[in-house]
Amino acid sequence: AQSVTQLGSHVSVSEGALVLLRCNYSSSVPPYLFWYVQYPNQGLQLLLKYTTGATLVKGINGFEAEFKKSETSFHLTKPSAHMSDAAEYFCAFRGGQGGKLIFGQGTELSVKP
Amino acid sequence: EPEVTQTPSHQVTQMGQEVILRCVPISNHLYFYWYRQILGQKVEFLVSFYNNEISEKSEIFDDQFSVERPDGSNFTLKIRSTKLEDSAMYFCASEASGGRTDTQYFGPGTRLTVL
Repeated sequence: AQSVTQLGSHVSVSEGALVLLRCNYSSSVPPYLFWYVQYPNQGLQLLLKYTTGATLVKGINGFEAEFKKSETSFHLTKPSAHMSDAAEYFCAFRGGQGGKLIFGQGTELSVKP
Repeated sequence: EPEVTQTPSHQVTQMGQEVILRCVPISNHLYFYWYRQILGQKVEFLVSFYNNEISEKSEIFDDQFSVERPDGSNFTLKIRSTKLEDSAMYFCASEASGGRTDTQYFGPGTRLTVL
């Protein structure tokens, strides 16, 4: 079965520190992977996506993610956290059939001054 | 920039009542989706809609649920007889082409509270 797991429902970092949000997937077909961010009272906004080609994907707001097939991972990183990065982050997977996204549980990122 | 809009932002209803959640997708998009998120749980797929018919639905999307595109702009989710467990945030999404590499654009959600 296809699934997405995000390790850590809540991550807290200091402003200026590295942000690392973990996502692992399980799939029997080549995955297409997405990271979405949700700010309070707003919809889900696409940060970045991996489809094919380069495994290091750069997104908006300085975020990037690396697709590692051997580790079935697609972790999200940002070198230096900003207060405005505080939000909930969702990893999502799109498999071989149909258009639906399969989401992980979400990780709430807090940024301390 | 075009965006998906949803109304109302918050709906409170009594158990057993019918509710209709409304969405206006991005105007040139062809694929539409409903997802929901029960508090503290994952975002879950409910249904996808293309060319005026359901293309896929989940186990959650039983006979109590229906979707419709009544005109050229709105996309609605109806719950005929709400249950307590239907309380959740409901997200609408739209997509231009439905391809695997395409991007789904989400609305801000409707929080449904069933009392």
